[in-house]
Amino acid sequence: GESVGLHLPTLSVQEGDNSIINCAYSNSASDYFIWYKQESGKGPQFIIDIRSNMDKRQGQRVTVLLNKTVKHLSLQIAATQPGDSAVYFCADAGGGKLIFGQGTELSVKP
Amino acid sequence: EAGVAQSPRYKIIEKRQSVAFWCNPISGHATLYWYQQILGQGPKLLIQFQNNGVVDDSQLPKDRFSAERLKGVDSTLKIQPAKLEDSAVYLCASTFGLGTEAFFGQGTRLTVV
Repeated sequence: GESVGLHLPTLSVQEGDNSIINCAYSNSASDYFIWYKQESGKGPQFIIDIRSNMDKRQGQRVTVLLNKTVKHLSLQIAATQPGDSAVYFCADAGGGKLIFGQGTELSVKP
Repeated sequence: EAGVAQSPRYKIIEKRQSVAFWCNPISGHATLYWYQQILGQGPKLLIQFQNNGVVDDSQLPKDRFSAERLKGVDSTLKIQPAKLEDSAVYLCASTFGLGTEAFFGQGTRLTVV
């Protein structure tokens, strides 16, 4: 079946550094992906999305890269801040479904 | 714009009891999802509605879980009887249409003792 997986369960970075969170997916037909941020006690919050006709999309301090050849996407956070500490999920949102990976917990050290 | 509303926020029940969760999606959102999130894991889809019809309930344990969205707006998720392994956060999400951004509620944290 379809699956979405993150490479590392935890990531610790220094405040001000850039963070990179990686995700692999299995369904080569997937055409829409979303990155979510989940803080403790809250529901997932939309960060940025990307469709398969693009390989890069930028938001405010965040960039998502999509490599369809190797079925891999990444979330880059520039100048990571303490408020970025959370669990990050990539989700396969193609075909009307919304399938989540296991998540990467990002910790930001002051 | 109001977000996805869920209630209650917390619930503690004994095993074999029943429990119900309620979700009010964002106005105009046709697609509604219920997820189960066990501590330390990603959300797992239980059921997906498009208006008042079920799109996907393949991972819903139908011997004990049920869900409905009678008028295509609010939805309820019920567990009867509850088991210890049902302890989790139950998340509701809605989207305007298929293939668009999903918005999540705060979730209901269920503890079965």
